[in-house]
Amino acid sequence: RKEVEQDPGPFNVPEGATVAFNCTYSNSASQSFFWYRQDCRKEPKLLMSVYSSGNEDGRFTAQLNRASQYISLLIRDSKLSDSATYLCVVSQNTGGFKTIFGAGTRLFVKA
Amino acid sequence: GAGVSQSPRYKVAKRGQDVALRCDPISGHVSLFWYQQALGQGPEFLTYFQNEAQLDKSGLPSDRFFAERPEGSVSTLKIQRTQQEDSAVYLCASSLASVLLAGLYNEQFFGPGTRLTVL
Repeated sequence: RKEVEQDPGPFNVPEGATVAFNCTYSNSASQSFFWYRQDCRKEPKLLMSVYSSGNEDGRFTAQLNRASQYISLLIRDSKLSDSATYLCVVSQNTGGFKTIFGAGTRLFVKA
Repeated sequence: GAGVSQSPRYKVAKRGQDVALRCDPISGHVSLFWYQQALGQGPEFLTYFQNEAQLDKSGLPSDRFFAERPEGSVSTLKIQRTQQEDSAVYLCASSLASVLLAGLYNEQFFGPGTRLTVL
């Protein structure tokens, strides 16, 4: 079983749609959680950190459920420019310093 | 510089050749990470440096892989006797703080990567 698992998609949605991505992680010692975005043939870039209380940044909402070891990302009012791969990221600072990326979920937003 | 830079951007090596990949992190960043990204996959952790100390090398796939950061700034990832399965994009990332500090300051800034092709 992979340490961080995501639905690979692709998700094909029309502009204006709401889309949700899910992610599960296996290491209960994980400390920090993030969503990164990666455009085709580009480097990953931070989209948002994920906190236990949930957090929102404009059209993006992230949630963390530590008990279920589950992370989610909700994108409202999808834009064409949201088309990318979304990477779920988990890092630990005990027993090692690994940062684990999921394989990513591909999103295509169409006009 | 304004961001993380890596060189070379592209490298073609013959099987068995040694290669060295360079990473220039953002000035003042304490943490430096190396990742390997295969096509269609997320980045796979290779190693982590806090300043010049290599605190985690658990992701290095074999003893042919070696990384160093002798002065706590520039880092080099060396691959000896390259094999075809080493073909991938090698990404370097830096972050301001040590990973011992959770939260926003752990944002990792990535370089553009080095695309390695082993023939």
